[in-house]
Amino acid sequence: GAVVSQHPSRVICKSGTSVKIECRSLDFQATTMFWYRQFPKQSLMLMATSNEGSKATYEQGVEKDKFLINHASLTLSTLTVTSAHPEDSSFYICSARPRGQGLTYEQYFGPGTRLTVT
Amino acid sequence: GQQVMQIPQYQHVQEGEDFTTYCNSSTTLSNIQWYKQRPGGHPVFLIQLVKSGEVKKQKRLTFQFGEAKKNSSLHITATQTTDVGTYFCAGPRNTGFQKLVFGTGTRLLVSP
Repeated sequence: GAVVSQHPSRVICKSGTSVKIECRSLDFQATTMFWYRQFPKQSLMLMATSNEGSKATYEQGVEKDKFLINHASLTLSTLTVTSAHPEDSSFYICSARPRGQGLTYEQYFGPGTRLTVT
Repeated sequence: GQQVMQIPQYQHVQEGEDFTTYCNSSTTLSNIQWYKQRPGGHPVFLIQLVKSGEVKKQKRLTFQFGEAKKNSSLHITATQTTDVGTYFCAGPRNTGFQKLVFGTGTRLLVSP
């Protein structure tokens, strides 16, 4: 149980184009999903928190107009990197907390999407 | 701001040797979690500790939460090549109870 999928797993795009990454909770409902960014050999940096039915909340320093997040349902959140540039190349990982998890903070992670902008 | 540091940053051991990673938070944590990320993979939840001084074991892995709830450790007895990966501790953020702040991670390499 508690499986999170991400699509695509890898994407190469040209500078200036937009890329959409999907994050799905396959066997549970998630009112909250999180988007992280990870550079090689570094830790996970939280970018934003995606809440079903409401606007995402972004961490300090993350441009909300560049990283558009939509949490359309209890099982799907999308991250769109708009007008991508080479410095946006990174490993993007989503995670989800099952609905009704209470005080347990455990998050289930998707397999990640490796974005390369040329 | 809130910071969670881990030491060592990297460790290379021979198979069968023990390994320990230490996690230190700048703030008191209500709980701490540990995750393992294999090379090229994503973080996988290992365990959550909640009580001060709590010790939990999973086969060869022993997790400990400090008395002051500001530090934690993960000890692996008799490492195996399957233990290779990066181990992260994570604690709740001060701002937003659902959010986690991840430690800097310890990368473990095990040679056969």
